[in-house]
Amino acid sequence: EDQVTQSPEALRLQEGESSSLNCSYTVSGLRGLFWYRQDPGKGPEFLFTLYSAGEEKEKERLKATLTKKESFLHITAPKPEDSATYLCAVQALTGGGNKLTFGTGTQLKVEL
Amino acid sequence: EAGVTQFPSHSVIEKGQTVTLRCDPISGHDNLYWYRRVMGKEIKFLLHFVKESKQDESGMPNNRFLAERTGGTYSTLKVQPAELEDSGVYFCASSQDTKGYGYTFGSGTRLTVV
Repeated sequence: EDQVTQSPEALRLQEGESSSLNCSYTVSGLRGLFWYRQDPGKGPEFLFTLYSAGEEKEKERLKATLTKKESFLHITAPKPEDSATYLCAVQALTGGGNKLTFGTGTQLKVEL
Repeated sequence: EAGVTQFPSHSVIEKGQTVTLRCDPISGHDNLYWYRRVMGKEIKFLLHFVKESKQDESGMPNNRFLAERTGGTYSTLKVQPAELEDSGVYFCASSQDTKGYGYTFGSGTRLTVV
């Protein structure tokens, strides 16, 4: 069974204080690993897809990396507007259909 | 382009009652997904439609849940009769393809069963 574990559950940062969120996964053949951002009362919003170990993607202050067992979401010099829950999900190549298996998320709070 | 629309946004019902959730996907998206987040747990897959056909319903918890997609357009998810453990946020997503980056999620329906 595919599994995704995210840590920490919650993270509080000062504005400008860089950090990383972790996503550990087990999957029967990885089609893709996805990062989403979710704001309160909203649905998940797509950020990145990573397909193979060693791949990196960047968007503004966010950078996602992938190894064979985990992914990191690095946040550089965060701003208060980066406060949200960050979700990691995997999609399996076979046996899992097209569904996404999510982790429970990391709730990020960036303070002035 | 209009996003994925779900309604109602909130619903409070009594145990044993019936509730129907509706999802209007982005126009032209053949793939429609239902997911659910129960308090304190991760978002979990319920089922996947391709047009009007159920492609994968492996995540449906039991036969109290019935999903339909009329003419490959909007979809409904009916819970009958509702139980306390059905409380949670129900998300709908749609996409043109089956890869996760194409998913657009709706804002969800928060269902509370009392």
